[in-house]
Amino acid sequence: GAVVSQHPSRVICKSGTSVKIECRSLDFQATTMFWYRQFPKQSLMLMATSNEGSKATYEQGVEKDKFLINHASLTLSTLTVTSAHPEDSSFYICSARDHLNTGELFFGEGSRLTVL
Amino acid sequence: GQQLNQSPQSMFIQEGEDVSMNCTSSSIFNTWLWYKQEPGEGPVLLIALYKAGELTSNGRLTAQFGITRKDSFLNISASIPSDVGIYFCAGDNYGQNFVFGPGTRLSVLP
Repeated sequence: GAVVSQHPSRVICKSGTSVKIECRSLDFQATTMFWYRQFPKQSLMLMATSNEGSKATYEQGVEKDKFLINHASLTLSTLTVTSAHPEDSSFYICSARDHLNTGELFFGEGSRLTVL
Repeated sequence: GQQLNQSPQSMFIQEGEDVSMNCTSSSIFNTWLWYKQEPGEGPVLLIALYKAGELTSNGRLTAQFGITRKDSFLNISASIPSDVGIYFCAGDNYGQNFVFGPGTRLSVLP
């Protein structure tokens, strides 16, 4: 099946710094990618929809200036957590839709962010 | 908005037993997907369903797309320890964003 890769898988940073997470679709082009946040023992919470070549669409309650999303190419979307604070510590997961083939949604491996 | 319900929320079973879980919605979906997530990993797609009434298998897993298009079930036969994880269903409505259920947490006792 299609592969979506996320990097880094784990990151620890100091409070106040910014962290960038990359999401790549390795064998298909993705005009749309999605970013989720997952708290322990909870389901996936959609944060935003990343659209190639245009602005991301954020879900209600998600701060645009806090979680910057860039989808500069058909295979790469990035999520930047700006001025991270301990409450931003979480598991962040991206997904990409293989529109041209099956339309199925494939997930990255996830990135665990810990803000000290 | 659209919501999916999954039941049971969690289950503890003995190794070798069969497992059944389901996903229901008040809305119609045209695609159902089932995922498994292990700790610290992203969800992995198990089965995709595209037609009402469709029954699809993937090894010991079998999933069906309900006739009403408002539900789907996933069965796991002869469970093994590596089946442990959280199983999510997801519904898609004509290319709009997928909606995810809250998950069913499966524990397999040896």
